[in-house]
Amino acid sequence: RKEVEQDPGPFNVPEGATVAFNCTYSNSASQSFFWYRQDCRKEPKLLMSVYSSGNEDGRFTAQLNRASQYISLLIRDSKLSDSATYLCVVRGYQKVTFGTGTKLQVIP
Amino acid sequence: DTAVSQTPKYLVTQMGNDKSIKCEQNLGHDTMYWYKQDSKKFLKIMFSYNNKELIINETVPNRFSPKSPDKAHLNLHINSLELGDSAVYFCASSQEWIPSYNSPLHFGNGTRLTVT
Repeated sequence: RKEVEQDPGPFNVPEGATVAFNCTYSNSASQSFFWYRQDCRKEPKLLMSVYSSGNEDGRFTAQLNRASQYISLLIRDSKLSDSATYLCVVRGYQKVTFGTGTKLQVIP
Repeated sequence: DTAVSQTPKYLVTQMGNDKSIKCEQNLGHDTMYWYKQDSKKFLKIMFSYNNKELIINETVPNRFSPKSPDKAHLNLHINSLELGDSAVYFCASSQEWIPSYNSPLHFGNGTRLTVT
């Protein structure tokens, strides 16, 4: 089993749609969690941290479920500019692991 | 005022050559990393340094040698380049090592290495 798993997609959604991604992790001792966004031929950029209580930043909501070892990202009212690859990141003791990413394409 | 900067942005070289990639961060972070992103877009950690000390050394050929002269710099030297080394190499930094402080990574804009 991979340490961090994501559905690679692509998720093709119309503008205005709501889309959700999940990410599972195998190490129960993992400490902190993030979602990153990576545009084509660019570096990954932090989208948001993920807290146990769940957190929201505008149209984006992140959730963490430690019992089931997964994190989620919900994007509401999708914009064309949301098209990118979304990377799940898990930090543990002396380790930072990236998922393979989920590709999102928002269609006009 | 780029936070994490790496040079060069593009590097095209022939098999067997030796090349270096430089990375500098002006964020005052304690930890720096090198990641490799291959053609399948998977980001794989290669090395991590905390305050100039090697913390992580994943299964990487010993042709790859990182060097950290101070905590703001982490350079990557590659000897005897092979075709399979072609990839995008990202440098990153984070504020401290202890993960419970929820410190994210900040990335440089990558070095696209092509070995011919």
